[in-house]
Amino acid sequence: DAGITQSPRYKITETGRQVTLMCHQTWSHSYMFWYRQDLGHGLRLIYYSAAADITDKGEVPDGYVVSRSKTENFPLTLESATRSQTSVYFCASSERATPLHFGNGTRLTVT
Amino acid sequence: GNSVTQMEGPVTLSEEAFLTINCTYTATGYPSLFWYVQYPGEGLQLLLKATKADDKGSNKGFEATYRKETTSFHLEKGSVQVSDSAVYFCALGWRNSGGSNYKLTFGKGTLLTVNP
Repeated sequence: DAGITQSPRYKITETGRQVTLMCHQTWSHSYMFWYRQDLGHGLRLIYYSAAADITDKGEVPDGYVVSRSKTENFPLTLESATRSQTSVYFCASSERATPLHFGNGTRLTVT
Repeated sequence: GNSVTQMEGPVTLSEEAFLTINCTYTATGYPSLFWYVQYPGEGLQLLLKATKADDKGSNKGFEATYRKETTSFHLEKGSVQVSDSAVYFCALGWRNSGGSNYKLTFGKGTLLTVNP
């Protein structure tokens, strides 16, 4: 089925560990996005990508790394996890001037 | 910069009550406006949209009208149901000055609880 798949759905990691969140979309949309959702802040954009091999920073990029070697995948890596990165992470995709399609999220806890 | 200000929640209503969730925006140019809904444990889903002034978006009994004169896009529903309990996000879609990038800015969300 077409859609966005995020994995894992839940992740617990320790401070200082590297962790990668995966995102896969089947629409071949050009744009992909990573958001984090925190109480009181709503959704904040971490990184986005306009096409394969093109990425750009959003509002809160510090501590995160992304890559986009293939159109359908957009992994998000926390190089050295911190407690402040405990959050729910949403991946999304879109074409130009169309609303975003969201995955079901990854709930990350950093202990 | 472009921004969205959304009514603070939470909002608690009885079934069949009238719902309004306020949303105002600040933007240059001609943005598009959206309402998204997030049900518990799920990602966001597009509820409705409007792409120009005076457009009315509607879906599942929800409506919102793009009012340029008041820079507003308030969400309304005449008779809410328990199944409408969710978090609602207003969002502003816009292109950068070069027109090459399309971005979405979200409000902080409003939690709606509908009691039977």
